[in-house]
Amino acid sequence: RKEVEQDPGPFNVPEGATVAFNCTYSNSASQSFFWYRQDCRKEPKLLMSVYSSGNEDGRFTAQLNRASQYISLLIRDSKLSDSATYLCVVKGYGQNFVFGPGTRLSVLP
Amino acid sequence: NAGVTQTPKFQVLKTGQSMTLQCAQDMNHEYMSWYRQDPGMGLRLIHYSVGAGITDQGEVPNGYNVSRSTTEDFPLRLLSAAPSQTSVYFCASRHRDGYTFGSGTRLTVV
Repeated sequence: RKEVEQDPGPFNVPEGATVAFNCTYSNSASQSFFWYRQDCRKEPKLLMSVYSSGNEDGRFTAQLNRASQYISLLIRDSKLSDSATYLCVVKGYGQNFVFGPGTRLSVLP
Repeated sequence: NAGVTQTPKFQVLKTGQSMTLQCAQDMNHEYMSWYRQDPGMGLRLIHYSVGAGITDQGEVPNGYNVSRSTTEDFPLRLLSAAPSQTSVYFCASRHRDGYTFGSGTRLTVV
């Protein structure tokens, strides 16, 4: 089993839709969690950290369920500019972060 | 602007050639790393460094060498390029809240 797994894509949604991505991780000792966004042929960029109590940043909401080892990202009122690949990232003890393979989102006009 | 600078952006190599991918950061981060990204496989860690003079292997180190003589620079060397090393390479430095990535190097080995 891969350390970090994500929903297979692509997700094709119309503008204004709400879309949710899921991510599961296998290491129960994981400590920190993040969502990154990667535009086509560009580098990944931090979208938001994921906190135990859940957190929101504008139209984006991240949730963490430690018992089920599950992270989610909800995007409300999707914009064309949200089209990208979303990477789930998990950090356990030690130095290294583990990146999921990503879920591709296409927001259609 | 502060950040991570990678060069070159594109490179084509012949099998067996060697080359160095350059990476520099000006944020005084101790931790730096190299990833490769292949379709469907996500980012895979090649080598990393927790500070000047200290390097260690990641998930896919074979065929690559690194050194860290200064905090700023972390070059990646391909010793004898193989077609399996065709990929997009990202250098990154890490801060408390995650990574800052360079813009990537698209490498093709023919």
